Amino acid sequence: GQQLNQSPQSMFIQEGEDVSMNCTSSSIFNTWLWYKQDPGEGPVLLIALYKAGELTSNGRLTAQFGITRKDSFLNISASIPSDVGIYFCAGLDNYGQNFVFGPGTRLSVLP
Amino acid sequence: EAGVTQSPTHLIKTRGQQATLRCSPISGHTSVYWYQQALGLGLQFLLWYDEGEERNRGNFPPRFSGRQFPNYSSELNVNALELEDSALYLCASSLSGGGAVQYFGPGTRLTVT
Repeated sequence: GQQLNQSPQSMFIQEGEDVSMNCTSSSIFNTWLWYKQDPGEGPVLLIALYKAGELTSNGRLTAQFGITRKDSFLNISASIPSDVGIYFCAGLDNYGQNFVFGPGTRLSVLP
Repeated sequence: EAGVTQSPTHLIKTRGQQATLRCSPISGHTSVYWYQQALGLGLQFLLWYDEGEERNRGNFPPRFSGRQFPNYSSELNVNALELEDSALYLCASSLSGGGAVQYFGPGTRLTVT
C-alpha cells in the first residue's frame, strides 16, 4: 500500500529558530494534511493542501504541496516552546477514500 | 461548536476482557474513523464508518470491531484483550464520504494489564 516517510524523525532546536520538515512518498497523493499532536492528546489540524504547488500559511506555519504530488513540506518560523509536539503529515490515497499518515516528526524546542 | 468527543478518557482492563470505547462526531459529520496509536508510534488506521456502514478496515484482527449508530456516534469494541492492545485510541470525524478532512478527538488511553 501507499506509505509516507517523514524526516527528520526528531529534531531539537533553539527557541526562535526556524524549522523545516518534510513528508515524502513514492506514490502520488491528491490532498496533503499537516497535524500537530501534543502529548496524550489527539492530533490537531494545522494546514490542508489541495493542489500541486499550493503554498498555504497559518500564522508562523507554512506548508507546500510538492509539484510532483509525492511530497509536502512544513516550515515553522521563529519557534516557541509551545511548538513542541509531534507533527504528522497525511496524504489522501489514490482512491480518494482514505488518508495515509506518516510516522511523525518529533519537535523539541530548547529555551 | 463542540469538537469530537471520546469516552472514557482512560480505561484499564485485564488481558482477555473486552473494552468498549465511544466517540461522538462533530455535528453534521457522518463519517467516523478509528485509529490506534501505540506509545511513541504513528497512527494505525482501524475502521471507517459512514452513514452507519463500515466502509473500510485496516489490517487488524476481527476481535477489533465497531458500529455506527443512527446519530452517527460510534463504538469501538476490542474483544479478548491482549497486552499489546495498550494504546491511545483516536477517533476522528469528517463530512460524508472519503477524502474529507478529518478532525480528531482527544483519545481514549487503554491500558491492558
